[in-house]
Formats: sequence, C-alpha cells, structure tokens
Amino acid sequence: NAGVTQTPKFQVLKTGQSMTLQCAQDMNHEYMSWYRQDPGMGLRLIHYSVGAGITDQGEVPNGYNVSRSTTEDFPLRLLSAAPSQTSVYFCASSRTGQGEGYTFGSGTRLTVV
Amino acid sequence: GQSLEQPSEVTAVEGAIVQINCTYQTSGFYGLSWYQQHDGGAPTFLSYNALDGLEETGRFSSFLSRSDSYGYLLLQELQMKDSASYFCAGLSGGYNKLIFGAGTRLAVHP
Repeated sequence: NAGVTQTPKFQVLKTGQSMTLQCAQDMNHEYMSWYRQDPGMGLRLIHYSVGAGITDQGEVPNGYNVSRSTTEDFPLRLLSAAPSQTSVYFCASSRTGQGEGYTFGSGTRLTVV
Repeated sequence: GQSLEQPSEVTAVEGAIVQINCTYQTSGFYGLSWYQQHDGGAPTFLSYNALDGLEETGRFSSFLSRSDSYGYLLLQELQMKDSASYFCAGLSGGYNKLIFGAGTRLAVHP
C-alpha cells in the first residue's frame, strides 16, 4: 500500500527552467493538495483539487500550475523557476477533505540556483 | 481569510505533560486538525475536532472551543520520540482548503 508517492525526492534547477513535480495516490481519494514548506513558515497551500477535472488556487499559487486529469495523479508544474521557489514541496490527499486524515507524500526538496 | 497562531517553541521533560495552544481567525470554520512532523519527515495526522470538546487518542488529546476560536493539543507521558514540530490546521472557506499554522517545535529532554 504505497499511499502518496512523490517524485523526484531532490531536484536542482537553474533560474528560468521549468519542471513538473509528480504526485500519485492509490487510496482513491478525491481530495488532493500541494503545499510548500519554508523554515519557520509552516506549510502553505499552493493549489488543491476536489476531484478529477477540478482545481483551485490556494494561498501562494503564483508561478505554479496544476491539472487533475485522473483521480490518482496531481502534478505540479513550475513554469519558470525562481530562487524564491526553493523549498520543500509536499503533496497530500484526503478521503473527506474536511481536515481529518490527510496523508502526505515524503516531499520533494527543490533548490533553484 | 484565515490565520492560525501557535507558539513557536515549547520545551518539556520526559514523562511530563505539555499543552500546545492554537488560536484561529477564519471566515468559515469546519474544524481544527493537528499534525506531527519529525525533522526531515512528512506531516502525519494526529487528531481532528469538528465539534467543541475533547478528543482522546492514546497519549494525545485535542480540545476545541469554537466560541473562543481556540484549541489545544495535549501530550501526556512525554517520550523522547515526541520531539517534533506540531501544526494546527483549519479549513478556509471550504473542503480541502486546509491552512496550517506556522508550527510549534517541541523539545523533550531527559
């Protein structure tokens, strides 16, 4: 039972490059989210989805795109990487979307130079 | 909008009891959650309060007072492995828009 799988675990990008962070869950959860975590700032919501074909913006959406073509996958795209996007990115999924039982992936540590 | 405030650090000794408070301001409220995160790891779910009162799960309990916009996480019989960061989180205006506080770093000493 894999839960939430994120790839890659580590990535270094040059300023201006684009990339996609992958997230997949095998629990048939409708609700999925992307967060970034910076020191001393907790987790900040980037984008979220309440089901296939439905996405919405969170607290810090600028510079990121998402899509949800299947229930299982929720990739996060960085359009033109900036040093300010250096962070740890977590994907999470939930059955109810009500705050209980969010399952997080192990994270992607991204450095933009 | 929504914001959640919690202390940045708490220190306690093994075997003791510690309480981590969380106050929130929300435009809509659907419950308060608590998550634990060890250094280098992913957040893991601890507890959820949808209604006022106390929820108990083993050594951990969580309390919510909606009239006071306040909740807390209570950790009993502290162990060294409880050293971690603890986050309160609340829904902001709808399902799945889960917003986190900045986290409380708990250090447990022998």
